[in-house]
Parts: sequence; C-alpha cells; structure tokens
Amino acid sequence: KQEVTQIPAALSVPEGENLVLNCSFTDSAIYNLQWFRQDPGKGLTSLLLIQSSQREQTSGRLNASLDKSSGRSTLYIAASQPGDSATYLCASPTDSWGKFQFGAGTQVVVTP
Amino acid sequence: NAGVTQTPKFQVLKTGQSMTLQCAQDMNHEYMSWYRQDPGMGLRLIHYSVGAGITDQGEVPNGYNVSRSTTEDFPLRLLSAAPSQTSVYFCASSRPGLAYNEQFFGPGTRLTVL
Repeated sequence: KQEVTQIPAALSVPEGENLVLNCSFTDSAIYNLQWFRQDPGKGLTSLLLIQSSQREQTSGRLNASLDKSSGRSTLYIAASQPGDSATYLCASPTDSWGKFQFGAGTQVVVTP
Repeated sequence: NAGVTQTPKFQVLKTGQSMTLQCAQDMNHEYMSWYRQDPGMGLRLIHYSVGAGITDQGEVPNGYNVSRSTTEDFPLRLLSAAPSQTSVYFCASSRPGLAYNEQFFGPGTRLTVL
C-alpha cells in the first residue's frame, strides 16, 4: 500500500525566501502525484499534478519535482509571499481508479 | 462550471440523529469520493464510487452509507450520528485513468455531533 509522508509538519519563513516542501512515498511504482493547498476552514485547491513519466511540472512561481527512485517529490515556491501561508498537502493514487493516499500536510507561515 | 459543490456548509447534530451530506459535480467525472479530515489524522477515505451504481468502502466506512444513482450526485448518509463523527467532510471527483485523475475538491461540510 502506498504510504505518503510530509516532513516537517510546520514551517515558517520570512517573505521573499524560497519555500521547499517535501513529500515522500513508499511505492516507487507511482501513478502520479498531486500537490494541494488548503487555507484555514477551506477545501483543497489543486496546485500541480505530476504524471509518473514526468520529472517536474511548473506553474508560475511553483515548481514540483518527482524522483521515483528516491521516493520523493518536492514543491518549490519561489520568492514566498504572506499570501502563500497555508497548509500544503501531497497525495498519490493507490490504484488505477484514483483512490488517493494523502500526506498529513505541511503548515506554512510566511512572515512579512 | 460550478465544480464540486457540497451542502450544507455547517451542521450540528445530536447523538443518534441521521442526516445526509450532499455532493454534486458538473464535470461528468466518473470517480467520486468522500473523505473526512481530522486534526492529526489527515484526510481519510470513507467511501468512493467509480460510476453510477458502483460504490466501495474506503479506509473508515463504519457508520456511513453511500449510493450513486447518477453520475452527478454522491450523497453520504450518517445512519446514527456519534460524537466520533465530528469532523470536516470533503467530497472529491476525478476522471478515472492513471494519467488524468487530477482530483477536485468541494468546500467541505463541518459537522459537529453533540
């Protein structure tokens, strides 16, 4: 069964610094990996989806990499802003129909 | 497109009461699922459906019932509410298939059981 872990659970950085968020998974035969953002009291917003055949995916200031051999995905957020403060979760499907296993998330605070 | 919608946003129940959480999507997604989110436990899958008429249990199905009569709707029923079911419930949908199953989430229902 795919297990997904996110460390650290919380992170605080000053505005302008680059954010690096980690996601580890146990099964290297990964189908894909999805990164989400969750604001307090809100639902999950999809940020990036990396397919198994891809090494990275980019959207604006966000870049996500996927290294199947090491069982890691990393989400980079360039030049962080206070508006980037949120909880970031990663998830990977455990079967072809899309049952997802989620990490517990990393809570990010960007201080002005 | 409205995406994934959930009603109600908030609900307070007494122990033993029953209720149905509604979820609908307008993206013609075959796959729909229900999660609960609890502090320190992350998101856990309750039930999922791969199409109308087909449902299956996830990680924490006890105390919940689902049915899928249409592609658009996937209601979650609490049969006899218990305080342990106090949680935030999220519905999600996606197209099936390995390469395309980006998940889309609804805004959630915050349920308190007294």
